[in-house]
Amino acid sequence: SAVISQKPSRDICQRGTSLTIQCQVDSQVTMMFWYRQQPGQSLTLIATANQGSEATYESGFVIDKFPISRPNLTFSTLTVSNMSPEDSSIYLCSVWTVANEQFFGPGTRLTVL
Amino acid sequence: TQLLEQSPQFLSIQEGENLTVYCNSSSVFSSLQWYRQEPGEGPVLLVTVVTGGEVKKLKRLTFQFGDARKDSSLHITAAQTGDTGLYLCAGAGSGGSNYKLTFGKGTLLTVNP
Repeated sequence: SAVISQKPSRDICQRGTSLTIQCQVDSQVTMMFWYRQQPGQSLTLIATANQGSEATYESGFVIDKFPISRPNLTFSTLTVSNMSPEDSSIYLCSVWTVANEQFFGPGTRLTVL
Repeated sequence: TQLLEQSPQFLSIQEGENLTVYCNSSSVFSSLQWYRQEPGEGPVLLVTVVTGGEVKKLKRLTFQFGDARKDSSLHITAAQTGDTGLYLCAGAGSGGSNYKLTFGKGTLLTVNP
């Protein structure tokens, strides 16, 4: 398994601002991901955070809106840029382990006013 | 696009009752994972099933993977109030994208005392 922490755990932000979410893993992992979970909904994959190269985004998500960094094998950040109320969601990072299992962080609950 | 249909969407039962949650798809998955998510937290991995026809037991929870690896079920025996939560199934793709999970919409289970 993997132990994942996220900062901040929650935030309330104003429209038009940006928020950077941090994800730290207790061991080196190759695959890290960022998901969004809108209120009452299931999880939607935003992107795969690639170490040393640009993230791979899923359909409907773009780098300008959700820039991602992955400086090493234990850390990643997701920025939600130019926020609007529609961006209010829980943002989750996850890792894929060598045992072919995916573990999630506790999430960051974002509210945009 | 791989889709996972999860049913029922909502389930409210009395403590001590049994229940089954279903996860169905027309696509074949290399593996299927079940998660439980409590309010304000990230999903917690319960089990991964890999082989068609596989059955795994976790105390009062029984997980089954369909023979064709297109569907799965979660059965809970003698439900307890602590089983309350959102249950999510997630299928992993095949080939080079076996780390990408497709999530069902979830089953919100409430176990009443």
